[in-house]
Amino acid sequence: AQKVTQAQTEISVVEKEDVTLDCVYETRDTTYYLFWYKQPPSGELVFLIRRNSFDEQNEISGRYSWNFQKSTSSFNFTITASQVVDSAVYFCALSSFSGGYNKLIFGAGTRLAVHP
Amino acid sequence: DTAVSQTPKYLVTQMGNDKSIKCEQNLGHDTMYWYKQDSKKFLKIMFSYNNKELIINETVPNRFSPKSPDKAHLNLHINSLELGDSAVYFCASSIVEDNEQFFGPGTRLTVL
Repeated sequence: AQKVTQAQTEISVVEKEDVTLDCVYETRDTTYYLFWYKQPPSGELVFLIRRNSFDEQNEISGRYSWNFQKSTSSFNFTITASQVVDSAVYFCALSSFSGGYNKLIFGAGTRLAVHP
Repeated sequence: DTAVSQTPKYLVTQMGNDKSIKCEQNLGHDTMYWYKQDSKKFLKIMFSYNNKELIINETVPNRFSPKSPDKAHLNLHINSLELGDSAVYFCASSIVEDNEQFFGPGTRLTVL
């Protein structure tokens, strides 16, 4: 069975702090994809990153960075120098193409509050 | 240009009514999805269509009936609405091989 666990329900930080959102996944598939989505207070779901299971390179995009470790089945997301605009619910998700179709399995989300 | 659009954005209705939510994507994607987000923000897939063919049906009550008139549209019809149907419904689309899904803005359904 596929599963995504985001153990942190809520995180509260002060602006300019660094914050890491944890994501642990379970799958038996050898080919799969991992995602992060952001849901700001306005409600839309914004795609942040996709990583396939064969690419363990870490990625940095501005203040965002992602650490993918297959050995621990984790795909953690770090925001450096957080800003108030980063306040949102962040979802980690898992998808594999088994059975001829893909299906996104979402974690429960982590609500990040960044205070001025 | 809007990639994935949904109408209406808000829907308030009485228990027992029938309602529809429409979704359109202009990305040329082959696959479209419906997700339900409950009050605790938990997101779960309901249906997926590929080239107008149903490929995922996640044990959703048969009061929910998706319909795909063409590749660019996936509508969701809900019969005999219940209080528990209150949620935000998201439509999404993707190129099957690519796995990246683009989401619409969501439809907040409130059943009174």
